[in-house]
Amino acid sequence: GAGVSQSPRYKVAKRGQDVALRCDPISGHVSLFWYQQALGQGPEFLTYFQNEAQLDKSGLPSDRFFAERPEGSVSTLKIQRTQQEDSAVYLCASSLVPGQGDGYTFGSGTRLTVV
Amino acid sequence: RKEVEQDPGPFNVPEGATVAFNCTYSNSASQSFFWYRQDCRKEPKLLMSVYSSGNEDGRFTAQLNRASQYISLLIRDSKLSDSATYLCVVLRNQGGKLIFGQGTELSVKP
Repeated sequence: GAGVSQSPRYKVAKRGQDVALRCDPISGHVSLFWYQQALGQGPEFLTYFQNEAQLDKSGLPSDRFFAERPEGSVSTLKIQRTQQEDSAVYLCASSLVPGQGDGYTFGSGTRLTVV
Repeated sequence: RKEVEQDPGPFNVPEGATVAFNCTYSNSASQSFFWYRQDCRKEPKLLMSVYSSGNEDGRFTAQLNRASQYISLLIRDSKLSDSATYLCVVLRNQGGKLIFGQGTELSVKP
């Protein structure tokens, strides 16, 4: 597609529920990133894929968070047993060339509210 | 201490004003630097890259001081449409991940 597509746009989950957030990057983009943005804060890095390989997951806040990109295109971020502190906007970004800082495109994000 | 620090603001300025945002970063190995703009409830978008020699794009001027690990953005003749949050961003070469500051909120009033 023309841009990075994320779904759902909004998600309300009851505490303890599992959620799955989807990112469809720009076709052919090698690098894919997940970020978490809390209200009033800048995006915080969660994890990074180069093709299907997850090269960095140092930002995942707990083992309840899991991400995958099995075929090197679409990625899913899964959060198990959601907690209120997981409420945030989850942003996905992709780039054609790894490390090209001015070539990143962000999706519109998924706004997760845990009640 | 956060790796990229910004004054969160908000900055409230009248139309036509000149406004400056500052940012410091702590990782001296950072290689590339950017300013992103984020409108309310939208995704961040690249405003401009920041080069050591300083660079200008219309009303926007960005400066980098590697010795002080300091980045700035100057907006001249501010417009209502400049109202947004401005994010200072550094690129970590390992893996190419972007590290964002907290963002500085700008509100331009008529």
